Amino acid sequence: DADVTQTPRNRITKTGKRIMLECSQTKGHDRMYWYRQDPGLGLRLIYYSFDVKDINKGEISDGYSVSRQAQAKFSLSLESAIPNQTALYFCATSAGGSSHEQFFGPGTRLTVL
Amino acid sequence: QKEVEQNSGPLSVPEGAIASLNCTYSDRGSQSFFWYRQYSGKSPELIMFIYSNGDKEDGRFTAQLNKASQYVSLLIRDSQPSDSATYLCAVNGPSNTGKLIFGQGTTLQVKP
Repeated sequence: DADVTQTPRNRITKTGKRIMLECSQTKGHDRMYWYRQDPGLGLRLIYYSFDVKDINKGEISDGYSVSRQAQAKFSLSLESAIPNQTALYFCATSAGGSSHEQFFGPGTRLTVL
Repeated sequence: QKEVEQNSGPLSVPEGAIASLNCTYSDRGSQSFFWYRQYSGKSPELIMFIYSNGDKEDGRFTAQLNKASQYVSLLIRDSQPSDSATYLCAVNGPSNTGKLIFGQGTTLQVKP
């Protein structure tokens, strides 16, 4: 079984709809992250969380919100989706402390029409 | 200046050759450096990390770090067509915040 899972894997939605992307992990890591990837722009950090009570904005948080329901679960919401939020979304985890290595889920391809 | 810079490529090398991928970073306080491989449509996969100046070898991969020049590179020896992918350089964020800053990636094409 995959250590980091994301659901759904693909989603097509319409402008103005609310969308939730979910991430679960079995690695026992405290730290979780949400990124989006666009062609030519690399990975950009949306939100990150170092434990259940800790939520931080990344470089592109506008239009997004997150919820850390448990150590193993971190969800990303688009309250009112717009076409320029069409992208590939990745969840990642890391153990924290002196370890900065991050491990990625399989990604969610989101298309907003 | 971007915090982490990579040449987007594509870098094209013949099968069996050495591929050299380069990355520069702006924060002198960075302490951890990572190379991820990403196949098209797939998630990034960690292939190397390096914390100290010098070289670190793992199989066909060698990571090189020069903190004075703020430069990290990845060498792939005996390149194979299966190495064709985008390689992302990542550097730990300022003040050791636990965030990684990613470069935009270099696309490598290994031609048979």
